[in-house]
Amino acid sequence: AQSVTQLDSQVPVFEEAPVELRCNYSSSVSVYLFWYVQYPNQGLQLLLKYLSGSTLVKGINGFEAEFNKSQTSFHLRKPSVHISDTAEYFCAVSVKAAGNKLTFGGGTRVLVKP
Amino acid sequence: DSGVTQTPKHLITATGQRVTLRCSPRSGDLSVYWYQQSLDQGLQFLIQYYNGEERAKGNILERFSAQQFPDLHSELNLSSLELGDSALYFCASSHLQGNGYTFGSGTRLTVV
Repeated sequence: AQSVTQLDSQVPVFEEAPVELRCNYSSSVSVYLFWYVQYPNQGLQLLLKYLSGSTLVKGINGFEAEFNKSQTSFHLRKPSVHISDTAEYFCAVSVKAAGNKLTFGGGTRVLVKP
Repeated sequence: DSGVTQTPKHLITATGQRVTLRCSPRSGDLSVYWYQQSLDQGLQFLIQYYNGEERAKGNILERFSAQQFPDLHSELNLSSLELGDSALYFCASSHLQGNGYTFGSGTRLTVV
């Protein structure tokens, strides 16, 4: 079975500073990788996804993530955050050969300070 | 609006009661997934339906059941409710593998 570990439960960051959210996964087979964002009192919204090809994936709102197969990681980055990026971020994985079920990490809460 | 509709948005009920949560998937999506989100357990996969058939089961209690109807909407039934069932329940839908999910805005269930 696959699993996802988000290494930081909370990340405080100042406005206009860069942020990196770490995600590591475990799977014995090929996977698809996703990052979702959850704003307060809302559902989850897809930020970006890695299916195949280029290991650098660009998403919405200026976010990008890099897939590293050897390190089984899929870290999310943004070069300059805004107050509006305050939210919880979830990394998720699905196994290519086993339907579409997503397994989520525990989430990282990002607090952007002015 | 994500296209996935969940009702009701909020639900307060007493222990021992039964409730039904409803989900209408995004147009064209055949798969529906139910997740429970709580502070201590995080996002837990409950169950998946594909075109009316149960496809995968996760950490779903025996007191919980779900179904997907011919019009593709889905219902999650929670019975003999306990205080620990208080959580956000999300429905998501998808069409093709690899496209990820589209989530609804959730139903917040409070058991008192």
